[in-house]
Amino acid sequence: AQKVTQAQTEISVVEKEDVTLDCVYETRDTTYYLFWYKQPPSGELVFLIRRNSFDEQNEISGRYSWNFQKSTSSFNFTITASQVVDSAVYFCALITHSGGGADGLTFGKGTHLIIQP
Amino acid sequence: DTGVSQDPRHKITKRGQNVTFRCDPISEHNRLYWYRQTLGQGPEFLTYFQNEAQLEKSRLLSDRFSAERPKGSFSTLEIQRTEQGDSAMYLCASSSSTSGYNEQFFGPGTRLTVL
Repeated sequence: AQKVTQAQTEISVVEKEDVTLDCVYETRDTTYYLFWYKQPPSGELVFLIRRNSFDEQNEISGRYSWNFQKSTSSFNFTITASQVVDSAVYFCALITHSGGGADGLTFGKGTHLIIQP
Repeated sequence: DTGVSQDPRHKITKRGQNVTFRCDPISEHNRLYWYRQTLGQGPEFLTYFQNEAQLEKSRLLSDRFSAERPKGSFSTLEIQRTEQGDSAMYLCASSSSTSGYNEQFFGPGTRLTVL
């Protein structure tokens, strides 16, 4: 069985601050995929990034960056120079190869990010 | 490019009634997933289709729940004899199996309220 833990239930920062959302995962599989999704107030989940277990390179996309460390089973997400539009609930998720994709994504409970103007 | 659509967006029903939800995935996607999300929680996997075959069902999916994907295109999720505990957002997602485990694209969800 797999598990995703997002220990930060809610984070509130002032606009333009940097913020890091933590994600710790558990799985016995050696092949797996990690994802981050954003759920704005409108409710629709928006895909942000996918990373497979064999690719530990960090990734940067504009103000977003991700740090994947297999040694600590973490896949953290940093927003640089946060903006009010970044306010949302962010979910980290995992899917394993052994299930053939059939067991769906395992999500964390999410981190509610509030960016104050 | 049309995304995943779900109908209805909201459903209010009385306990004991049956409800059916529809999901239309992205047209070229062969994988389709149903999830349930309750307030303050992440989505929880319910069931999975590859083309028209239902390949996996979560233990969360009681006998009152049934899902179909008759022609490998749209899917329906039916809940019989609804209970107040069924109140949740029901999400549908689709993906392609062409290369590994691609990202799942989610629909807007159907919010079910059981009175």
